Amino acid sequence: GAGVSQSPSNKVTEKGKDVELRCDPISGHTALYWYRQSLGQGLEFLIYFQGNSAPDKSGLPSDRFSAERTGGSVSTLTIQRTQQEDSAVYLCASNPTATNYGYTFGSGTRLTVV
Amino acid sequence: AQSVTQLGSHVSVSEGALVLLRCNYSSSVPPYLFWYVQYPNQGLQLLLKYTSAATLVKGINGFEAEFKKSETSFHLTKPSAHMSDAAEYFCAVLAGGTSYGKLTFGQGTILTVHP
Repeated sequence: GAGVSQSPSNKVTEKGKDVELRCDPISGHTALYWYRQSLGQGLEFLIYFQGNSAPDKSGLPSDRFSAERTGGSVSTLTIQRTQQEDSAVYLCASNPTATNYGYTFGSGTRLTVV
Repeated sequence: AQSVTQLGSHVSVSEGALVLLRCNYSSSVPPYLFWYVQYPNQGLQLLLKYTSAATLVKGINGFEAEFKKSETSFHLTKPSAHMSDAAEYFCAVLAGGTSYGKLTFGQGTILTVHP
């Protein structure tokens, strides 16, 4: 696609439920990143996928968070047993293989846990 | 480890005035530096990037930034603010000269432009 697409754009869920957030990167981009943006915390790195390499999961805040990337394209971020502190905007970005530094971001998914 | 510090969480200017948003970085290796802009309810958009070529970098919408190694700074400027510049701005650093590593972002600066 022309840009990074994220769905849903908004998600309201009850505490304790599981949620899945989807990211469709720019076609051909091998690097994919998830960030979380919450009030007072700025932009926090969550996880990074690069081609077929093992992902860098060093930013995932707890074992309730996981992500996968199927076929080197679409990625899903899953949050299990959501808590109110998980409320945030989850941003996905992708990067091409060429030396074109700087991500292209999607518009994000705003997650609200009630 | 690399980091960036943005001085001033809020900056307010009058339309037509100079915009100056400050960013200082810390990196153990030559950094690549970025400025992003975020409009309400949107993702981040790349304004400009420094990747060890020219130290004065020109970006979109009339913005530019100068890499100053001696001051470990990468401040963002625009000679004349426009109402449409009102947004949140993020400075970010990528260490090691690779396009695949993760960016580390500053806390952001909200720019308000008054008529």
